[in-house]
Amino acid sequence: KNEVEQSPQNLTAQEGEFITINCSYSVGISALHWLQQHPGGGIVSLFMLSSGKKKHGRLIATINIQEKHSSLHITASHPRDSAVYICAVGALNYGGATNKLIFGTGTLLAVQP
Amino acid sequence: DTAVSQTPKYLVTQMGNDKSIKCEQNLGHDTMYWYKQDSKKFLKIMFSYNNKELIINETVPNRFSPKSPDKAHLNLHINSLELGDSAVYFCASSPTMDSLSGREQYFGPGTRLTVT
Repeated sequence: KNEVEQSPQNLTAQEGEFITINCSYSVGISALHWLQQHPGGGIVSLFMLSSGKKKHGRLIATINIQEKHSSLHITASHPRDSAVYICAVGALNYGGATNKLIFGTGTLLAVQP
Repeated sequence: DTAVSQTPKYLVTQMGNDKSIKCEQNLGHDTMYWYKQDSKKFLKIMFSYNNKELIINETVPNRFSPKSPDKAHLNLHINSLELGDSAVYFCASSPTMDSLSGREQYFGPGTRLTVT
């Protein structure tokens, strides 16, 4: 079992829909990251959070440290949001190292017009 | 203006060859990383360096040897390439390796390695 689990693995939505992607983790973390990988392959960091909630435009990320769970929400989804969304955690003192990222398997989102 | 750059973007080579991938960041960051993304798009850390010092070596075959000539560069040399090395390799950097601050990482565009 992966230390970082995402759901769903695949998601198809209609333009304008509200989208939620979930991430659960089983290790102690310093922070949780949400990343976006476009079809062209580049990876962009969307959020890094260690508590509460963050918002950038139509994207909202929340984290519940006690429940070891985070969600990424997209409001008013658009076809340009189509990408793979990856949850990653900065593992605390993992193998004696710090700030090591452990990745989820990603969620492939397709937003249809 | 590119923050984290990698060369080459594509690399096609035969089994048994030795190849290098270069990474440079102009962000003034102390920490750099190499990640491997397999055919299922799963990312996994390979190495991290902090100020030219190796911090993480994540059970990677010793055919893979990272080299950090200065804190702005982290190169990856691969000896005796195997079919299973085919993947996309991403370089990344972050301001520090401080776990308490959990700093954001900036990724390069990736290098698609194909071993035939």
